[in-house]
Amino acid sequence: AQSVTQPDIHITVSEGASLELRCNYSYGATPYLFWYVQSPGQGLQLLLKYFSGDTLVQGIKGFEAEFKRSQSSFNLRKPSVHWSDAAEYFCAVGPPSGTYKYIFGTGTRLKVLA
Amino acid sequence: EAGVTQFPSHSVIEKGQTVTLRCDPISGHDNLYWYRRVMGKEIKFLLHFVKESKQDESGMPNNRFLAERTGGTYSTLKVQPAELEDSGVYFCASSQVGEAFFGQGTRLTVV
Repeated sequence: AQSVTQPDIHITVSEGASLELRCNYSYGATPYLFWYVQSPGQGLQLLLKYFSGDTLVQGIKGFEAEFKRSQSSFNLRKPSVHWSDAAEYFCAVGPPSGTYKYIFGTGTRLKVLA
Repeated sequence: EAGVTQFPSHSVIEKGQTVTLRCDPISGHDNLYWYRRVMGKEIKFLLHFVKESKQDESGMPNNRFLAERTGGTYSTLKVQPAELEDSGVYFCASSQVGEAFFGQGTRLTVV
């Protein structure tokens, strides 16, 4: 079955600390991979995406993610977290056909301590 | 450029009532998607429009849900009659070529 697993429901980090949010997926073929963020009162905003090529992708707000085919993972990282990064983060996979029939993970809620 | 807009932002209705959610996609976007997030669970695909046609409605939970897209512009999602398990956040997204843009969602609470 196709699925996305985000094992951490809540993560708390101190401002300035590094961050890694985990995402593992199960999919028939290599899917398109995405990370979205939802800040309070806002819609889902695309942070970054992977379609093909370089497995380390850079996104907005200083985020990056690495695709590891052997581990079926697409973990999100940021070297130094800012208080404004407090939000909920969603990993998603989509078919390589390019439609946006995503499968989402359950989300990871990030809390940032001052 | 205006983003994807959803109305209302919140709705509280009683079980058995009808509710209609609206989504205004980004102008010119042919693709429109509806998703739903039930409390604490993952965001799940409901359906996909290409212009005014339903391309894929495999995620619609049952026949109490009816989606339309008038003239290939805005879309509505009607729930009739609403049940308690319909509570959640309903997201709309649109795309043309490239990424999908999501609205802020409509939080529906059925009491």
